[in-house]
Amino acid sequence: NAGVMQNPRHLVRRRGQEARLRCSPMKGHSHVYWYRQLPEEGLKFMVYLQKENIIDESGMPKERFSAEFPKEGPSILRIQQVVRGDSAAYFCASSPLAGSYEQYFGPGTRLTVT
Amino acid sequence: KQEVTQIPAALSVPEGENLVLNCSFTDSAIYNLQWFRQDPGKGLTSLLLIQSSQREQTSGRLNASLDKSSGRSTLYIAASQPGDSATYLCAVPGPYGGSQGNLIFGKGTKLSVKP
Repeated sequence: NAGVMQNPRHLVRRRGQEARLRCSPMKGHSHVYWYRQLPEEGLKFMVYLQKENIIDESGMPKERFSAEFPKEGPSILRIQQVVRGDSAAYFCASSPLAGSYEQYFGPGTRLTVT
Repeated sequence: KQEVTQIPAALSVPEGENLVLNCSFTDSAIYNLQWFRQDPGKGLTSLLLIQSSQREQTSGRLNASLDKSSGRSTLYIAASQPGDSATYLCAVPGPYGGSQGNLIFGKGTKLSVKP
């Protein structure tokens, strides 16, 4: 059973470009969470999705950021018109059920905005 | 608002020592607490998950305890090894923890074990 997969592992974008980060949850997991880790800061929750539904996006910036988890395929975190402050490590986690169940994390995507 | 604090922020010990990492949280109404390990430039590895009904969990040289009433958890590492060097994070479910499950993390304790 493969773990949570994220790609790309490293992504470099120029200011104003779009960044697309992908996350494939563990087999059998239908709950996906995205977190962001800014330099020298802790991980912060961004968004929680189930298949075809956004359950909680209270941690998402109001503009330029969006996320989806389609019926088929990976979850996508999309950042439009990136700025230098978006440079961070973005982690995806999955779990079989929400709430009291263990979350399994992917290796992360490190986004650098030049 | 739930806040998670980890003390110390960094710790350096000689190989072989037993050590304790601390985690505190402000809202004791949690469903569980999870300890993670993060290596530089890498993702998170789950070490131990303690349900709210449990007092402790053990895995190998690791032992995690949970005291909900005082809002504290400790991670005990026995006979530390250089390979234990990493940042250790604790996390609890955020608001609506039973149905939402997003985690709130502490900033971590950076552990260095010297050979």
